[in-house]
Amino acid sequence: GDSVTQMEGPVTLSEEAFLTINCTYTATGYPSLFWYVQYPGEGLQLLLKATKADDKGSNKGFEATYRKETTSFHLEKGSVQVSDSAVYFCALSDGPGNTGKLIFGQGTTLQVKP
Amino acid sequence: GAGVSQSPRYKVAKRGQDVALRCDPISGHVSLFWYQQALGQGPEFLTYFQNEAQLDKSGLPSDRFFAERPEGSVSTLKIQRTQQEDSAVYLCASSLGSMETQYFGPGTRLLVL
Repeated sequence: GDSVTQMEGPVTLSEEAFLTINCTYTATGYPSLFWYVQYPGEGLQLLLKATKADDKGSNKGFEATYRKETTSFHLEKGSVQVSDSAVYFCALSDGPGNTGKLIFGQGTTLQVKP
Repeated sequence: GAGVSQSPRYKVAKRGQDVALRCDPISGHVSLFWYQQALGQGPEFLTYFQNEAQLDKSGLPSDRFFAERPEGSVSTLKIQRTQQEDSAVYLCASSLGSMETQYFGPGTRLLVL
């Protein structure tokens, strides 16, 4: 079945460092891809998404490009802030004709130190 | 506007007790999803409603789990004869349609002793 694999955490960076969190997926159809973020004490929030190959999702300085050839959707940010400390989840949803349910990776904890 | 709300936020149950978890979706959202998130893991799909119809319940782990959405709005996830392995955060999400962005509630943290 469909699945998502994320790099294991925790990831610890200094403020203003470059961030990459790797995400690869396995899917039989043409899924949409998502990054969700969970800040401490808060619920899951959509960070960005891409619905087809070569699309780039971006938000709050974060970017991810849907790479069909490598089945990847890596999350990047050029300069992280302490406020970016959170758990990041990569997810896919099964394509049209299906329910749209989300399949999540296991999450990657990011800690940014001042 | 109001987001997705869930109640209770925390629930402690003794093994064998029945529990009911409530989800109030965003008004007008047709689609409603339930997920289970074990500690340190990503959420896992449980079931999906389109209006009042339960179109997918493939993720429900056993027949002790039952969900309903009788009027196409509020949904209840019921767990009968709770077991320790049911301890998790139960998340509800709603969306305008099945392929639209899902908005998550804060979750209900269930602890079964």
